[in-house]
Amino acid sequence: DAKTTQPNSMESNEEEPVHLPCNHSTISGTDYIHWYRQLPSQGPEYVIHGLTSNVNNRMASLAIAEDRKSSTLILHRATLRDAAVYYCILRDVAGYALNFGKGTSLLVTP
Amino acid sequence: GAGVSQSPRYKVAKRGQDVALRCDPISGHVSLFWYQQALGQGPEFLTYFQNEAQLDKSGLPSDRFFAERPEGSVSTLKIQRTQQEDSAVYLCASSLNTRTVYNEQFFGPGTRLTVL
Repeated sequence: DAKTTQPNSMESNEEEPVHLPCNHSTISGTDYIHWYRQLPSQGPEYVIHGLTSNVNNRMASLAIAEDRKSSTLILHRATLRDAAVYYCILRDVAGYALNFGKGTSLLVTP
Repeated sequence: GAGVSQSPRYKVAKRGQDVALRCDPISGHVSLFWYQQALGQGPEFLTYFQNEAQLDKSGLPSDRFFAERPEGSVSTLKIQRTQQEDSAVYLCASSLNTRTVYNEQFFGPGTRLTVL
């Protein structure tokens, strides 16, 4: 699977939007972009995924660049509960394992 | 509904001991995965089952690591002759079926193994 690059850490104020970037310049045409997050002392949990078009769900939005070389996870109103490590993962349509990398540690302050 | 459960949640072993870590996936989930997470790192893939068949064990670090899922539901990860470098959180995940375009993986809380 192609590699992703994310900032090590980001900070946000509570109730403000958060934009978490991910670069994946070597993405292939069959790679889906997945986001998982890991709250402290818990296993990772699915957030959102997409292929080419922007995606929205109850947790977040995913904005995918037109050339697919980067994407942004958007949390519309950060809460304290959103403090976690966020992982941007590329997985081929035929793949199964998740290659997590180090992710971005998001700190949310009141 | 019930999620993925793992037991024990914490395990302390003396170097050289054998350990067995259990995973109960979500009922009906065909695919099961084991990951290893070292302190401060992201999880790393160990092995993958489709029902009872172990289709990929390329991530197992050594032949001291062995995983099984004999009836296609509960899985056990066994580590023989534990070493200090085996200290990590071991995560189990299950998904409905990886043969569709996309299947979300549901993770358990992990077992934290400390080898003294």
